[in-house]
Amino acid sequence: NAGVTQTPKFQVLKTGQSMTLQCAQDMNHNSMYWYRQDPGMGLRLIYYSASEGTTDKGEVPNGYNVSRLNKREFSLRLESAAPSQTSVYFCASRSPGQAVQYFGPGTRLTVT
Amino acid sequence: QQQVKQSPQSLIVQKGGISIINCAYENTAFDYFPWYQQFPGKGPALLIAIRPDVSEKKEGRFTISFNKSAKQFSLHIMDSQPGDSATYFCAASINNAGNMLTFGGGTRLMVKP
Repeated sequence: NAGVTQTPKFQVLKTGQSMTLQCAQDMNHNSMYWYRQDPGMGLRLIYYSASEGTTDKGEVPNGYNVSRLNKREFSLRLESAAPSQTSVYFCASRSPGQAVQYFGPGTRLTVT
Repeated sequence: QQQVKQSPQSLIVQKGGISIINCAYENTAFDYFPWYQQFPGKGPALLIAIRPDVSEKKEGRFTISFNKSAKQFSLHIMDSQPGDSATYFCAASINNAGNMLTFGGGTRLMVKP
């Protein structure tokens, strides 16, 4: 099992550009999450998906959109990147009936 | 408004010493309190977790102490080792509300040989 995988690992964007961060899990988990990590602020939830076909906003959803493509994949899209979106982005997944979330290796995004 | 406050931001401990990281929360609906460990360039990984019906949980050298009335919980690392050097995050969630984790700000631990 690869667990949770994320692509790309690194990305540099110019202000106003768009991109999609990809996440996939092979653990047959129902729930998937997107977090951003900033120094001193821990991880903050952007969006989550409780199951295929459903998505909900988290703490910091502005400037982002998500798609739960199927049970395995959950993507995060930045339509018009801003320097404030410079961060490390983590995807996570969780099995129903369990509280533990499994995290991917992260995508380091820089917006100039 | 940060619902989970973590301290200290950084911690230096000698090998063999005890590392202590503290967290305080505000939302009394939280019912799951995990600690995550993160090494540089990696995603966080669950270290140990506790539910509010117990006051302490121990797994090897790692212990969570939980004080429900004070709304505080802490991580104790006994006999700290250089391999424990990492960033530690406390978190909290509500079991029947999507288990969305609210994280503390993190503590960077360095264990000196």
